[in-house]
Amino acid sequence: DGGITQSPKYLFRKEGQNVTLSCEQNLNHDAMYWYRQDPGQGLRLIYYSQIVNDFQKGDIAEGYSVSREKKESFPLTVTSAQKNPTAFYLCASSPSRLAGLISRDTGELFFGEGSRLTVL
Amino acid sequence: GQNIDQPTEMTATEGAIVQINCTYQTSGFNGLFWYQQHAGEAPTFLSYNVLDGLEEKGRFSSFLSRSKGYSYLLLKELQMKDSASYLCAVLAGGGNKLTFGTGTQLKVEL
Repeated sequence: DGGITQSPKYLFRKEGQNVTLSCEQNLNHDAMYWYRQDPGQGLRLIYYSQIVNDFQKGDIAEGYSVSREKKESFPLTVTSAQKNPTAFYLCASSPSRLAGLISRDTGELFFGEGSRLTVL
Repeated sequence: GQNIDQPTEMTATEGAIVQINCTYQTSGFNGLFWYQQHAGEAPTFLSYNVLDGLEEKGRFSSFLSRSKGYSYLLLKELQMKDSASYLCAVLAGGGNKLTFGTGTQLKVEL
């Protein structure tokens, strides 16, 4: 079955360590996104990528890094520079879009199940 | 940048109708989404509006007015399982950046 897979589901990290969260999709989607969610809050965009080998910073990119070497994969590294890394991280993907209006069928964002990172 | 506002919390009665509003300010608007999220889970897609008007899908409907920067999600015949957070998200800009509001926590009571 097609879908989007995040791993690990739960991760514990010591302060000062970098960790990488995996996100893989087999939906043949061009666009991929990383969001962070803190308790009782909405999703905040960290990084997003519309095409292989290209990505853009979102609203809270500081302390994070990404790569998009393959269409299926968009890993997120939480570096030691991220001051408050404990959070729920969500990866998402969607079909590519042309500039301008997009069709209803291509609008949906597919989410992974999330990775919960705790810094000890 | 984008600014998306929605109420923090709402309470409604089982069987009733509730309307959750979302206002936004953005440039290069490419569509508005509504998602439902239960605690500890990933969001699930509810609706997408890119043109003005009402989109109906079962018990859920979503409305968009691009000139007013306004959308609402209408939930009819409320059920207890509808208790969740409802997220409004706007797709905008040449890079198709999707930005979420902080979400509206809906509590359905007997």
